[in-house]
Amino acid sequence: DGGITQSPKYLFRKEGQNVTLSCEQNLNHDAMYWYRQDPGQGLRLIYYSQIVNDFQKGDIAEGYSVSREKKESFPLTVTSAQKNPTAFYLCASSPGYTGELFFGEGSRLTVL
Amino acid sequence: GQQVMQIPQYQHVQEGEDFTTYCNSSTTLSNIQWYKQRPGGHPVFLIQLVKSGEVKKQKRLTFQFGEAKKNSSLHITATQTTDVGTYFCAGPGYSGAGSYQLTFGKGTKLSVIP
Repeated sequence: DGGITQSPKYLFRKEGQNVTLSCEQNLNHDAMYWYRQDPGQGLRLIYYSQIVNDFQKGDIAEGYSVSREKKESFPLTVTSAQKNPTAFYLCASSPGYTGELFFGEGSRLTVL
Repeated sequence: GQQVMQIPQYQHVQEGEDFTTYCNSSTTLSNIQWYKQRPGGHPVFLIQLVKSGEVKKQKRLTFQFGEAKKNSSLHITATQTTDVGTYFCAGPGYSGAGSYQLTFGKGTKLSVIP
């Protein structure tokens, strides 16, 4: 089945620790995105990548980092510099410019 | 930067009543997309509108794109409990680097009372 796989689904971490969220797609899409969702805040763009080895900051990139070494993979690292990391993180991909987004099932991160 | 505003933030309706959510962009859009997120789930693409004044229907859902391509609406006729969820509109924006990104509204959370 084609789709986007995010892991882990739930993650707990202590303050001061970095954590990496995985996002893999087998849709052969060029573009991939990371969004953060907080209650009542909608979806806010963290980082996006439209081609391998290239990515751009979104609206709330501070405290996050990404890499795009392979077309299929776009991992997100939540660093200790992120002041309020507890949130629901959604990865998405699209076939190209202005196309619809296909979302993964999300990763829910809780910082204890 | 581009802003996409959506109202209302919440809507409670009796089953069988109609529901409408409105989306307004600070800039003219090349297209607008609508997504639905069920409680505990992830957003799922519903539709994309491209042309000025375009109206599209999906069963009980009617989507409109404004003449100026800066606003849009989603209307659900005779809501059912399966319509429960949050509805998001999203419009494309372009950074100075020429990259494409999608900006989402904050969504309208629909509750349907049986």
